[in-house]
Amino acid sequence: GAVVSQHPSWVICKSGTSVKIECRSLDFQATTMFWYRQFPKQSLMLMATSNEGSKATYEQGVEKDKFLINHASLTLSTLTVTSAHPEDSSFYICSASNTETQYFGPGTRLLVL
Amino acid sequence: KQEVTQIPAALSVPEGENLVLNCSFTDSAIYNLQWFRQDPGKGLTSLLLIQSSQREQTSGRLNASLDKSSGRSTLYIAASQPGDSATYLCAVPSGGYQKVTFGTGTKLQVIP
Repeated sequence: GAVVSQHPSWVICKSGTSVKIECRSLDFQATTMFWYRQFPKQSLMLMATSNEGSKATYEQGVEKDKFLINHASLTLSTLTVTSAHPEDSSFYICSASNTETQYFGPGTRLLVL
Repeated sequence: KQEVTQIPAALSVPEGENLVLNCSFTDSAIYNLQWFRQDPGKGLTSLLLIQSSQREQTSGRLNASLDKSSGRSTLYIAASQPGDSATYLCAVPSGGYQKVTFGTGTKLQVIP
């Protein structure tokens, strides 16, 4: 089956630093990748959609300068949380798709101190 | 805009009981519907994927049904076990070819 990996699985950083999270489709080429955020005891909320080689489309209320998304190849997308603050602490999950089905990564837990 | 609701929000049952989780969605023009399991602090585990042309899917003790016209799906868990304790999420496409909206989740606790 389709496998999606994320790295790192968890990260702790100081306020003001930037954090990069990688999402890889291991056994298929993903034309589209998605980034979700999940706050404690809440469901997943879509942050942005990215297509390989083009700019990401951000959902309403998500700051594109805060959450930089790069989808440089058909198997890799990165999310960079710039100048992270404690309120950015969350669980970030990516998904990858080459059809109408999305395959989800295991998630990255970010804690900003 | 697709809205997905899951009822109940939380459920506690004794081991061995059969149970049903409900998912309702407002836009019935969907390609498929997925059920996921999420353990505390973990990512998503895909349980079942139902295509829009299907009425149900089965995997082991799990059976998911889909009624597009009424905007409903159910996840049936037979002979529940303590290891089934987790949050169950349904997800449906929304607002475009591949966007997905997640439900609010049902937190299940199976008591030994």
